[in-house]
Amino acid sequence: NAGVTQTPKFQVLKTGQSMTLQCAQDMNHNSMYWYRQDPGMGLRLIYYSASEGTTDKGEVPNGYNVSRLNKREFSLRLESAAPSQTSVYFCASPNIPGLAEGTDTQYFGPGTRLTVL
Amino acid sequence: AQSVTQPDIHITVSEGASLELRCNYSYGATPYLFWYVQSPGQGLQLLLKYFSGDTLVQGIKGFEAEFKRSQSSFNLRKPSVHWSDAAEYFCAVGPGKAAGNKLTFGGGTRVLVKP
Repeated sequence: NAGVTQTPKFQVLKTGQSMTLQCAQDMNHNSMYWYRQDPGMGLRLIYYSASEGTTDKGEVPNGYNVSRLNKREFSLRLESAAPSQTSVYFCASPNIPGLAEGTDTQYFGPGTRLTVL
Repeated sequence: AQSVTQPDIHITVSEGASLELRCNYSYGATPYLFWYVQSPGQGLQLLLKYFSGDTLVQGIKGFEAEFKRSQSSFNLRKPSVHWSDAAEYFCAVGPGKAAGNKLTFGGGTRVLVKP
């Protein structure tokens, strides 16, 4: 049981290049999230997927696209990378313990450190 | 809109001393509050969470946090810091099961531990 996995761990791109960040979870969770982490700004939500087949924009979606390929996998694509997208990207998946509690614990992947030159 | 403020960007504390990290939130409804820790090069790990009941919440690694509705605060404390507690700490607020469980994070507080 690996939890949430992300690939790659590190990536360097040139401006204008494209790439896809991969995320997979083996916890059978419905929801998955992509965040970016920048110094002093905490984590900001890029996109999320509440269930297989659905995706929604978060706080900072511009420049990104996502695909919820199946229940396990949620990918983040940068079509034309820009230096402003240099960041650490985290995928997360919450475990909703039950309707009675109505809250969740989000499990985070180890992150992808992306540099755009 | 919900927001979270962590007023202290850096805190330096001696090993064995107590630690308190501040978190203030703005949220229109009953908040669901979280503290996460991030060790260097690692992802985020949940320390503790509050969504109802006793306002003093115990977490892992000897941490606790107290929810004070009147002050819109959810401060994190540890009585005696260990060198392994050096990390960055994030406070977060979320709507619980509604609205896709989207969390809003504070900017983080980096804790340095002096020997």
